[in-house]
Amino acid sequence: SQKIEQNSEALNIQEGKTATLTCNYTNYSPAYLQWYRQDPGRGPVFLLLIRENEKEKRKERLKVTFDTTLKQSLFHITASQPADSATYLCAFLHGSGNTGKLIFGQGTTLQVKP
Amino acid sequence: DTGVSQNPRHKITKRGQNVTFRCDPISEHNRLYWYRQTLGQGPEFLTYFQNEAQLEKSRLLSDRFSAERPKGSFSTLEIQRTEQGDSAMYLCASSFYGPLDTEAFFGQGTRLTVV
Repeated sequence: SQKIEQNSEALNIQEGKTATLTCNYTNYSPAYLQWYRQDPGRGPVFLLLIRENEKEKRKERLKVTFDTTLKQSLFHITASQPADSATYLCAFLHGSGNTGKLIFGQGTTLQVKP
Repeated sequence: DTGVSQNPRHKITKRGQNVTFRCDPISEHNRLYWYRQTLGQGPEFLTYFQNEAQLEKSRLLSDRFSAERPKGSFSTLEIQRTEQGDSAMYLCASSFYGPLDTEAFFGQGTRLTVV
């Protein structure tokens, strides 16, 4: 069955460093991946979308890569700040045509220490 | 339009009772999702609608769960005969599905506690 996996261990880094989070998927070839941020007690908030024909996408301090050979997406936050502390979720649309559904990984919690 | 709205925000119920949650999506969005999330896990897909049609329901979902989206607008999720294992955050999301799919917008969720 199709799976999307993120590192379940929390990532702890020092302020100013680059955080790198990993999303791996198996038994599927999504047309794109999405990344969301979730703060405790709140719904996820969309950050970035990267399509299969895009190797890299950037938005301010965020960078996402998509390697369809490795079946992996990496999410980078440069010059990290304590305010970046949150859980980050990757997701892809499973299915084709008009019937795709959005499914999520389990998320990775990032803690940025001042 | 202020985004996706879910009501109630919190619900405490006794085991065996029925509960119903409501989701009001962003008005121009044609797709609506329901997810369940427990602590330390990502959102788990429950079901979704394209306009008023329910396109898929998770096989993990027992027949105690039912969802509707009359007229393709708001949606309700009902859980009958609640069990303690139903305690979770229930999230609703909406999106506009078209040739270039866009991101999902989530509500704040309804936290259900079954005692």
